[in-house]
Amino acid sequence: DVKVTQSSRYLVKRTGEKVFLECVQDMDHENMFWYRQDPGLGLRLIYFSYDVKMKEKGDIPEGYSVSREKKERFSLILESASTNQTSMYLCASSFQDQETQYFGPGTRLLVL
Amino acid sequence: AQSVAQPEDQVNVAEGNPLTVKCTYSVSGNPYLFWYVQYPNRGLQFLLKYITGDNLVKGSYGFEAEFNKSQTSFHLKKPSALVSDSALYFCAVRVLGRGRRALTFGSGTRLQVQP
Repeated sequence: DVKVTQSSRYLVKRTGEKVFLECVQDMDHENMFWYRQDPGLGLRLIYFSYDVKMKEKGDIPEGYSVSREKKERFSLILESASTNQTSMYLCASSFQDQETQYFGPGTRLLVL
Repeated sequence: AQSVAQPEDQVNVAEGNPLTVKCTYSVSGNPYLFWYVQYPNRGLQFLLKYITGDNLVKGSYGFEAEFNKSQTSFHLKKPSALVSDSALYFCAVRVLGRGRRALTFGSGTRLQVQP
């Protein structure tokens, strides 16, 4: 079975802090994604990566950056956390030529 | 641009009755269509997908979905609902063969199955 893990289930941070969310997949997937989930808005794509050190902006990249130094790991960075970044963050991965994405359990981030 | 609409925020159904969760899409080209389910405090789980072929797609937990190209719809169905089906359901789309590999998701429909 595909396993996607996220470093934390719950996080509480202060405004202005730098926040790191980590995602690891164990199936040698080329593609990895970061989404945020907000009530009534569904999932919105922040960034995705199709290979090591490669990344592309999604629909809402402002205030975020990403890092992919190894194939299995994709990190989301909030450079200076703000209260409007309070949300559920979901990581996903997929094989290059396949469409099904596999999701991690999510990180619920609260920025005070 | 591609988009997905889930017109119902919530669907209520009695256990044992058939259920339908609606999804319509808008893409330029041939779509890949997906349904995912999310249980409380969990990530999304894949239910089923349509790529090509038979318009009726069968998935996990007894769910199925019908691709209707003329109506641009991909409604999720189950003949007999269970209380344990209560969850948040997301429809998603991407265009076949081009564009980014990420999916575009609908806003989600909460399914409530009453005992």
